[in-house]
Amino acid sequence: DTEVTQTPKHLVMGMTNKKSLKCEQHMGHRAMYWYKQKAKKPPELMFVYSYEKLSINESVPSRFSPECPNSSLLNLHLHALQPEDSALYLCASRPGLAGRNEQFFGPGTRLTVL
Amino acid sequence: AQSVTQPDIHITVSEGASLELRCNYSYGATPYLFWYVQSPGQGLQLLLKYFSGDTLVQGIKGFEAEFKRSQSSFNLRKPSVHWSDAAEYFCAAINSGGSNYKLTFGKGTLLTVNP
Repeated sequence: DTEVTQTPKHLVMGMTNKKSLKCEQHMGHRAMYWYKQKAKKPPELMFVYSYEKLSINESVPSRFSPECPNSSLLNLHLHALQPEDSALYLCASRPGLAGRNEQFFGPGTRLTVL
Repeated sequence: AQSVTQPDIHITVSEGASLELRCNYSYGATPYLFWYVQSPGQGLQLLLKYFSGDTLVQGIKGFEAEFKRSQSSFNLRKPSVHWSDAAEYFCAAINSGGSNYKLTFGKGTLLTVNP
């Protein structure tokens, strides 16, 4: 099983709203990632959690707040976003075992900020 | 600086024709290499990976890739393309020598398949 799930599939929010994106994996993977992808571009790394601890923050604005409540769940809390934050947000997980460094991606959440 | 280059932004092939997508990397040591495919509005699906060993790697959906250290390349191939292969293809790499598992992506190659 190599499935990473993300909810919601689509999200429309105003600049004053607070919303959250959710990502789950039940493969026992030890690292989880958030990426942002704009149209016709490769994904850009935002955050990395390793063993439920934040290990990489790619200088992401504070209006994006990640959370890893447990080893299977990753949230991205959104507040006071800007229209330029509209993008596809992808979650990924990595086994973290020796010889298993590939990342498995979820289907993404299409975010529109009005 | 570490980088992954996909020289072709857009490739068009006819259904049934062979396909080769190019990927070059620039790393101090041989990185771990990956090919991902992305259909419109979807997530990325892992096609295949190279960590070490046999330089010809078999993946899903009939794809294969060949690692060539002398050319710093990891090109993706398929002998006969299907219309459903139309998608964006990303080559990616991870530094094999450290604990930073940050993926570096190429800019992607958009594949169009003509009937």
